[in-house]
Amino acid sequence: AQSVAQPEDQVNVAEGNPLTVKCTYSVSGNPYLFWYVQYPNRGLQFLLKYITGDNLVKGSYGFEAEFNKSQTSFHLKKPSALVSDSALYFCAVRLYSSASKIIFGSGTRLSIRP
Amino acid sequence: NAGVTQTPKFRILKIGQSMTLQCAQDMNHNYMYWYRQDPGMGLKLIYYSVGAGITDKGEVPNGYNVSRSTTEDFPLRLELAAPSQTSVYFCASSYGEITNEKLFFGSGTQLSVL
Repeated sequence: AQSVAQPEDQVNVAEGNPLTVKCTYSVSGNPYLFWYVQYPNRGLQFLLKYITGDNLVKGSYGFEAEFNKSQTSFHLKKPSALVSDSALYFCAVRLYSSASKIIFGSGTRLSIRP
Repeated sequence: NAGVTQTPKFRILKIGQSMTLQCAQDMNHNYMYWYRQDPGMGLKLIYYSVGAGITDKGEVPNGYNVSRSTTEDFPLRLELAAPSQTSVYFCASSYGEITNEKLFFGSGTQLSVL
């Protein structure tokens, strides 16, 4: 069955330090992977996606993510965290063969302290 | 450009009541989705549609119904509301083509069943 896991409920980072939010997936075919961010009382916003090609994907707000097929991971990263990055982050997966189902992880709350 | 519009924003229902959550998009997207977000559980897919007249079940369809008579609208119907349906509901839409894959979310409907 298709699934995605975010092993950390919360990640705490000091401003200016690098951050990583982890995501692993389980699918039977080629995955399409996504990261979304949710600010308080808002809907989710698209950050970036991996479809094919370069394993390092760059997205909005200085975020990037690295696709690792052998480890079935798609971790979100940023070299230098900002307080404004504090939000809820969701990893999602869509099967290559499925034109429609997009499944989300449970979310990771990122807290950046000044 | 309004994007994805959800109404109402808040609603309180009594057990056994019914209601319809409205969702409309003005981006001519073929694909539309309904998700529910429970604390610490991420987003769960309720129903989705790949075009007018076509709908299918997601991960947690029980207790809900949908219809898609037009490209723009994708209402979610709750019959016989139960406390377990207390959640935040998000509607989303996309083009569906993987090269342009990105979900656009509405601002959500917070539903309480008492």
